[in-house]
Amino acid sequence: RKEVEQDPGPFNVPEGATVAFNCTYSNSASQSFFWYRQDCRKEPKLLMSVYSSGNEDGRFTAQLNRASQYISLLIRDSKLSDSATYLCVVNGDAGNMLTFGGGTRLMVKP
Amino acid sequence: NAGVTQTPKFRILKIGQSMTLQCTQDMNHNYMYWYRQDPGMGLKLIYYSVGAGITDKGEVPNGYNVSRSTTEDFPLRLELAAPSQTSVYFCASRQGNGGYTFGSGTRLTVV
Repeated sequence: RKEVEQDPGPFNVPEGATVAFNCTYSNSASQSFFWYRQDCRKEPKLLMSVYSSGNEDGRFTAQLNRASQYISLLIRDSKLSDSATYLCVVNGDAGNMLTFGGGTRLMVKP
Repeated sequence: NAGVTQTPKFRILKIGQSMTLQCTQDMNHNYMYWYRQDPGMGLKLIYYSVGAGITDKGEVPNGYNVSRSTTEDFPLRLELAAPSQTSVYFCASRQGNGGYTFGSGTRLTVV
């Protein structure tokens, strides 16, 4: 089993739609969780950290479910500019390293 | 703050040539990392460092070397370039429990 697993997609959604991605992780001792966004041919950029109680940043909501070992990202009112690959990131066995999922590709269409 | 700076942005190498990819950060982060990303694929860890003078291998270290003489700099060395090393290389840094900050990448082609 991969340490961090994501559905690669692509998720094709119309503008204004709500879309959700899930990500599962294998290390039950993981303490740090993040969502990154990566645009084509660019570096990954931190979208948001994921906190135990869940957190929201504008149209983006992140949730953590420790019992089932998954995190989720919900995007409301999708914009064309949301088209990107979304990377789930979890700290692995070595606390100072983060493990990246393979990414979920989102394409928002007019 | 400049964050994480990588140079060069692009480079074409001939098979067998060597080069150093530069990475420097001005955030006083202890942890630094080198990843490669092949087209359409995920990030693979090459080497990492938890502080000046300390380096360790990641998932795909063969063909690469690193050094960490200062907190700021973490250069990646390719000694004998091979076509399989054609990729985009990202340097990143981290402090504490925060996320990574990435540089803008170096696109390397080996012909």
